[in-house]
Amino acid sequence: DAGITQSPRHKVTETGTPVTLRCHQTENHRYMYWYRQDPGHGLRLIHYSYGVKDTDKGEVSDGYSVSRSKTEDFLLTLESATSSQTSVYFCAISDPRGGEQFFGPGTRLTVL
Amino acid sequence: AQTVTQSQPEMSVQEAETVTLSCTYDTSESDYYLFWYKQPPSRQMILVIRQEAYKQQNATENRFSVNFQKAAKSFSLKISDSQLGDAAMYFCAYRTLLQGAQKLVFGQGTRLTINP
Repeated sequence: DAGITQSPRHKVTETGTPVTLRCHQTENHRYMYWYRQDPGHGLRLIHYSYGVKDTDKGEVSDGYSVSRSKTEDFLLTLESATSSQTSVYFCAISDPRGGEQFFGPGTRLTVL
Repeated sequence: AQTVTQSQPEMSVQEAETVTLSCTYDTSESDYYLFWYKQPPSRQMILVIRQEAYKQQNATENRFSVNFQKAAKSFSLKISDSQLGDAAMYFCAYRTLLQGAQKLVFGQGTRLTINP
């Protein structure tokens, strides 16, 4: 299995509070991604990174920011959490040669 | 922009039978990747099978095989000899081969139930 961890695995927070989710990889892959998974929508891309300090928006980026200061870490921040951001968040990595993405175990976030 | 559609929200099959999950996609590109991922109740996303669009031969991985119809933009997954452990959500995904664009586009998923 690809070495991808996410922390925390579960979090409950209140509306308006900042939240940071962490993704850590040990594969030295260049590309990293953050998705959210909601019923009826599959996985939707929030942000992705194609190198240290190189990031770009996905299809549902509003309300989220990301940072990547090291190859192995990709942080997702909700500056002011809202109930609509209650979801399961997945981190993924990919090697450009292979094409497929490998996923972390997911983080369940509940915003009350 | 590419889109992926899975028209079957739910499917069920008897154990040991064969089931086919459907996926269609929309793209103007000629080269790309297609994938099927499995998500069991543990929530972990697991790669089941991949297909490169330039390859005419359908991919096969043990009991899992695909029927790739490039002209029809169809990419179905066949599971033979279904087992209880195959019960999961299945997602079809598309990836462009354009340089620098490593993003996946997912379908909405199909929930597969295996009846003993």
